[in-house]
Amino acid sequence: DTEVTQTPKHLVMGMTNKKSLKCEQHMGHRAMYWYKQKAKKPPELMFVYSYEKLSINESVPSRFSPECPNSSLLNLHLHALQPEDSALYLCASSQLEPPTTFFGQGTRLTVV
Amino acid sequence: LAKTTQPISMDSYEGQEVNITCSHNNIATNDYITWYQQFPSQGPRFIIQGYKTKVTNEVASLFIPADRKSSTLSLPRVSLSDTAVYYCLVVARGYQKVTFGIGTKLQVIP
Repeated sequence: DTEVTQTPKHLVMGMTNKKSLKCEQHMGHRAMYWYKQKAKKPPELMFVYSYEKLSINESVPSRFSPECPNSSLLNLHLHALQPEDSALYLCASSQLEPPTTFFGQGTRLTVV
Repeated sequence: LAKTTQPISMDSYEGQEVNITCSHNNIATNDYITWYQQFPSQGPRFIIQGYKTKVTNEVASLFIPADRKSSTLSLPRVSLSDTAVYYCLVVARGYQKVTFGIGTKLQVIP
């Protein structure tokens, strides 16, 4: 099983809303990631969690707040987003040897 | 992190074999070469990964020369459903920061 599950698949939120994206994997991977992808662009790394601790934050604005409650779950809390934050948000997890990363199907976020 | 260079786009007719070459001149000893396929509005799908020589699975083959400065993804007998963006990534063993290049947009023509 190489499945990373993301919910919801689609989300529309207003600029004053608070929402959360959820991600789950049961492959025993100890690294989990959030990526952001705009149309016709490659995915861009936002955050990396290693052993449930935040190890990389790619200078992401504080209106995006990641959380890793346990080794299988990863959340991305959203607050006061801007329309330019509309994008496909991808969750991924990886094993370290060999370094293979698996991606979820993404959440299509629209900020209105 | 080793930088990768691949063609921006390729066209191929259905039924043909497609080879996409990726250049990674600065690849390090601990680095693996990984290829992903991505359809619009979907997450990247893992295709194949290799360290050296040749790797084959049910979907593709990956050819890596001895100097490992390039690699070639081979898709046998492509169909229309293989139209997608293909990303070549170099990932270090045990390293977590995976950076995507622009990828190769493959268009399969009937």
